[in-house]
Amino acid sequence: GAVVSQHPSRVICKSGTSVKIECRSLDFQATTMFWYRQFPKQSLMLMATSNEGSKATYEQGVEKDKFLINHASLTLSTLTVTSAHPEDSSFYICSASSSGGPPQFFGPGTRLTVL
Amino acid sequence: QKEVEQDPGPLSVPEGAIVSLNCTYSNSAFQYFMWYRQYSRKGPELLMYTYSSGNKEDGRFTAQVDKSSKYISLFIRDSQPSDSATYLCAMSAGVGGGGGNKLTFGTGTQLKVEL
Repeated sequence: GAVVSQHPSRVICKSGTSVKIECRSLDFQATTMFWYRQFPKQSLMLMATSNEGSKATYEQGVEKDKFLINHASLTLSTLTVTSAHPEDSSFYICSASSSGGPPQFFGPGTRLTVL
Repeated sequence: QKEVEQDPGPLSVPEGAIVSLNCTYSNSAFQYFMWYRQYSRKGPELLMYTYSSGNKEDGRFTAQVDKSSKYISLFIRDSQPSDSATYLCAMSAGVGGGGGNKLTFGTGTQLKVEL
């Protein structure tokens, strides 16, 4: 149980385009979903927290107009990187929790490369 | 001082060895403790989850929490080459502790189990 999927697993795009990443909880209802970013050999950096049906809460320094998060249902959250630039290239990972508490279950991650 | 301290390693052990991984923390509000395993280019996988102090065993893995010392450990018995990965400790105060559902991560310890 507690399986989280992400799609796509890898995406390459041109600078200036937008990219959407989907995160799904497959066998449980996710009250809260989280989006992280991870640079090579570093730990995870929380970008934002989203609760189903509510606006996402962004961490300090994360541009909410650039990283659009939608959590429309208890099993799906999306992250859209708008007008992507090479510095947005990174490994993006989502996680989900049920019942509003720990632990969090992570997706397999999406590697974004912006050319 | 970081909220959570974890030796980054790398830690290299022979196959069959007992591995001890540790984290210390400073926030006394933490009451949920997790260990995640992360393979290269993959999302973190939940290994152990404990609430408050005590021990928990699952197969070859044992998690220990000592809240009085603000110290947590993960022991891996009969280590295998497939255990080679980065191990992340993570903690949360939980909603009741004022931390919401956010996790605070250690930097991760890179483990290599050699044949």
